[in-house]
Amino acid sequence: EADIYQTPRYLVIGTGKKITLECSQTMGHDKMYWYQQDPGMELHLIHYSYGVNSTEKGDLSSESTVSRIRTEHFPLTLESARPSHTSQYLCASSGISSRGYTFGSGTRLTVV
Amino acid sequence: QKEVEQDPGPLSVPEGAIVSLNCTYSNSAFQYFMWYRQYSRKGPELLMYTYSSGNKEDGRFTAQVDKSSKYISLFIRDSQPSDSATYLCAMRRNTGFQKLVFGTGTRLLVSP
Repeated sequence: EADIYQTPRYLVIGTGKKITLECSQTMGHDKMYWYQQDPGMELHLIHYSYGVNSTEKGDLSSESTVSRIRTEHFPLTLESARPSHTSQYLCASSGISSRGYTFGSGTRLTVV
Repeated sequence: QKEVEQDPGPLSVPEGAIVSLNCTYSNSAFQYFMWYRQYSRKGPELLMYTYSSGNKEDGRFTAQVDKSSKYISLFIRDSQPSDSATYLCAMRRNTGFQKLVFGTGTRLLVSP
């Protein structure tokens, strides 16, 4: 049973729209991550957070922004969606005693 | 050059076969090695976790790490159709930020 939840699961939206992808976890993990995954490609880290009020950009340049106002919540926002943003977005978390990451089921975003 | 190389497959095997999945890496600082399994339209789930070199067995799954060759493997015995998924290797350093570096994933198809 997943303890990290992403909504929506699927989203089709027009170019220029503002969107927020939601991610919440109930495990009390301090670290959270956003990855972008395209078919046949490795996961690319786009944002991460060490804890509340801490956010950093990842390896892959992204026009999205994130916030971490509460431990359990790590939303990702695109101010103006473009077709190049079409991808799967995966949220993950880890804690001090975690061996790896716990992933959500992902949001598949299509910008038309 | 990518830090982690993984053959994307697909790898097709009959039910009951022994499956071998592999990754090579270039960063000798990696100390923790993981295998994730990802079903279609789901997020990755942690399957195996090993520290440094050696073998680890869990049911039908065995993970091997050869740090001298910078090579890790996942073996699946008595493969089942339910094992059909994409398998991603991941690894990270011992110190600093717990950033995981992922391979592209190998798609495995087990036919009945």
